[in-house]
Amino acid sequence: DADVTQTPRNRITKTGKRIMLECSQTKGHDRMYWYRQDPGLGLRLIYYSFDVKDINKGEISDGYSVSRQAQAKFSLSLESAIPNQTALYFCATSPSPGQGAPEQYFGPGTRLTVT
Amino acid sequence: EDQVTQSPEALRLQEGESSSLNCSYTVSGLRGLFWYRQDPGKGPEFLFTLYSAGEEKEKERLKATLTKKESFLHITAPKPEDSATYLCAVRGLSGGSYIPTFGRGTSLIVHP
Repeated sequence: DADVTQTPRNRITKTGKRIMLECSQTKGHDRMYWYRQDPGLGLRLIYYSFDVKDINKGEISDGYSVSRQAQAKFSLSLESAIPNQTALYFCATSPSPGQGAPEQYFGPGTRLTVT
Repeated sequence: EDQVTQSPEALRLQEGESSSLNCSYTVSGLRGLFWYRQDPGKGPEFLFTLYSAGEEKEKERLKATLTKKESFLHITAPKPEDSATYLCAVRGLSGGSYIPTFGRGTSLIVHP
């Protein structure tokens, strides 16, 4: 079974709709992240969370919100989707210092298309 | 602000033709340089972490090296299955949060 799962894997939605992307992990890591990836722009950080009560904005948080429901679950919401939010979205986890090696583990991605 | 620049953006090799990918970085207080492999439409997969200049790590046909300014991912006698995008990231003391900064990646295609 995959350690980091994302649902849905693909989603087509219309401008103005609210949409939620979900991420679950079984790695037992405290830290979770949401990234978007666009061709030629690499991975850009949207939000990150170091524990259930800690939520932080990344470099491109405008138009997005998140919820950390439990240590293992981190959701990303688009309150009113717009076409330039069409992208590949990745969830990632990593351990806290002292919890393990610092590398990140990524989910399989959600391909979101906003028409 | 931490910065990562990867070159070349794209690389085409013949099977068996060895080469190197470059990752140049500026960071305040390096706390890890990471290499990932990403196949099309999939999430990045962790390869290596390097912490200090002079450190090297190997896995099959891949070897990662680190200096104070850059890292190289050497690919020896590549095979078509090595085709992927390779991402470099650095983690430093900026802001005290240890959030990795990613480069834009090098897209590698190995022709049979």
